[in-house]
Amino acid sequence: GAVVSQHPSWVICKSGTSVKIECRSLDFQATTMFWYRQFPKQSLMLMATSNEGSKATYEQGVEKDKFLINHASLTLSTLTVTSAHPEDSSFYICSGRAAGQGVYGYTFGSGTRLTVV
Amino acid sequence: TQLLEQSPQFLSIQEGENLTVYCNSSSVFSSLQWYRQEPGEGPVLLVTVVTGGEVKKLKRLTFQFGDARKDSSLHITAAQPGDTGLYLCAGSYNNNDMRFGAGTRLTVKP
Repeated sequence: GAVVSQHPSWVICKSGTSVKIECRSLDFQATTMFWYRQFPKQSLMLMATSNEGSKATYEQGVEKDKFLINHASLTLSTLTVTSAHPEDSSFYICSGRAAGQGVYGYTFGSGTRLTVV
Repeated sequence: TQLLEQSPQFLSIQEGENLTVYCNSSSVFSSLQWYRQEPGEGPVLLVTVVTGGEVKKLKRLTFQFGDARKDSSLHITAAQPGDTGLYLCAGSYNNNDMRFGAGTRLTVKP
């Protein structure tokens, strides 16, 4: 089946630094990548949707200059948390979907636990 | 903004009991999915429903999609400790992005 490889699985960084999270679709072309954030004991909140080769569409309240999304190829999308602060500590999850798959094509990564100290 | 209401938020039961989790929206879903998530991992898809009135079964799990496609339920029969986890419903309103409910944290005690 379709697999999305997400790295790193966990990362600890100092406040003020930037962190990059990668999601790679291993056996399909992810024309669309969704990025979610999940705080402890809470559900997944959609942050942004990116289509390959286009600028990402951000949800209301999500700072596009702080959470930089790049989806330059059909198999790789990255989320960079710039100038990270402790309140950015969270579980970040990507989900890739191939063109034409509709609602049956969502494949989730295994998540990245970000801790900002 | 969460557009889905999922209940209950927490559920603790004894092994062998039955349970039902609900997912509701004021808008019509184009599709709805149920996931189970373990701590520190991404959600794992259990089922996708797209047709109003649809019923799907997965071993001891029964999923229903409301006739009007505004609600769904997950019923677990004879729950086992291995069923413990976070159950999430996720709906799509436009066949594009997927938005999640608040989740139901299920604990099944042996």
